Amino acid sequence: ILNVEQSPQSLHVQEGDSTNFTCSFPSSNFYALHWYRWETAKSPEALFVMTLNGDEKKKGRISATLNTKEGYSYLYIKGSQPEDSATYLCAFAATGANNLFFGTGTRLTVIP
Amino acid sequence: DAGVTQSPTHLIKTRGQQVTLRCSPISGHKSVSWYQQVLGQGPQFIFQYYEKEERGRGNFPDRFSARQFPNYSSELNVNALLLGDSALYLCASSLRLTTYEQYFGPGTRLTVT
Repeated sequence: ILNVEQSPQSLHVQEGDSTNFTCSFPSSNFYALHWYRWETAKSPEALFVMTLNGDEKKKGRISATLNTKEGYSYLYIKGSQPEDSATYLCAFAATGANNLFFGTGTRLTVIP
Repeated sequence: DAGVTQSPTHLIKTRGQQVTLRCSPISGHKSVSWYQQVLGQGPQFIFQYYEKEERGRGNFPDRFSARQFPNYSSELNVNALLLGDSALYLCASSLRLTTYEQYFGPGTRLTVT
């Protein structure tokens, strides 16, 4: 079982604050790193799939970076809004494996 | 286009019973994977099916089984339910046998009493 860790476990921020979370994963046998946004009672929504060391991806106010050599990825949210409140999951894909290895998620609450 | 659908949404069963969960992938997707999420943990891989064949299995007991039908929909069966099987069961579909893109359904919440 591969170890994927996310921090912090939960986070409360004020509307308008910027925030970031960390995902740590094995630095060997890397294939891809996924970020999902998951609202309660809904399907996890794919945010980013990152494959190359140094990759930076952006979707509106949300961006992510990837460092495969040291085994970490950061997710940034600029100017948090209440609708950003959700659990953010990262998942590691290893070469040769057909499944994703998930972290436990970071639960973000944005206070209006 | 409809996303991944799962049924039922919620289910309550008694210890020792059997349960069947259902998943319909996105149209055209040939791979279906099942994950279990226990409270406080990340989703854990149970099975992957591609073109109706099992292509991967996680560290789960033989009480867990699955199959994929010719229309690529899938069923997950759990026999002799234990309290510890209480969890959210997620289904994910992808076009190919790859982890590059996986689209998830909303899950089935199973409670075992």
